[in-house]
Amino acid sequence: SAVISQKPSRDICQRGTSLTIQCQVDSQVTMMFWYRQQPGQSLTLIATANQGSEATYESGFVIDKFPISRPNLTFSTLTVSNMSPEDSSIYLCSARQGPNEKLFFGSGTQLSVL
Amino acid sequence: AQSVTQLDSQVPVFEEAPVELRCNYSSSVSVYLFWYVQYPNQGLQLLLKYLSGSTLVKGINGFEAEFNKSQTSFHLRKPSVHISDTAEYFCAVSKSGGYNKLIFGAGTRLAVHP
Repeated sequence: SAVISQKPSRDICQRGTSLTIQCQVDSQVTMMFWYRQQPGQSLTLIATANQGSEATYESGFVIDKFPISRPNLTFSTLTVSNMSPEDSSIYLCSARQGPNEKLFFGSGTQLSVL
Repeated sequence: AQSVTQLDSQVPVFEEAPVELRCNYSSSVSVYLFWYVQYPNQGLQLLLKYLSGSTLVKGINGFEAEFNKSQTSFHLRKPSVHISDTAEYFCAVSKSGGYNKLIFGAGTRLAVHP
């Protein structure tokens, strides 16, 4: 089973600033995904982080607001840019080791924007 | 595209009573189905998954789910719940095969009372 380390675990940020969230997996994984979980709600997929190419974004999410990097098979970052209070949420990194395998989740980053 | 509907946002139940959490999905292609649990202030944990084969799937902590293709359902059941089962439960769907993204339902909060 893969273990995902995500940091920071929480942060309080000022409006207009940016925060980069890091996700480190203890083994090589084929697919990595970034989700957002707003207070009291379900998980919404932001994007699929592709190794060696641009991320694939879901409807409603754009690269300028949520740039993603995935330089290798164990690491990815998500940046929340030009933050507003509406970006306050838990951001979750997840990974899948192989086809048909379950999705592993990091413990999440709780972001509060003032 | 796939979608998931969890029919109950909250399910209150007394300890040792049986429980069923309902999940319906929509898809034009074959799917994989998952149930995840999120305990208070913790990350997501896989309860069980259906990929193929037997339609009755057994998971951890005494939970099971039945895949019903004709009714496009994947309801989660437990014959006798414990206080410790109090958590948020998420049903999720993906296209079958490979490394497809997971789409989550809105979640069902199971509250077990003594």
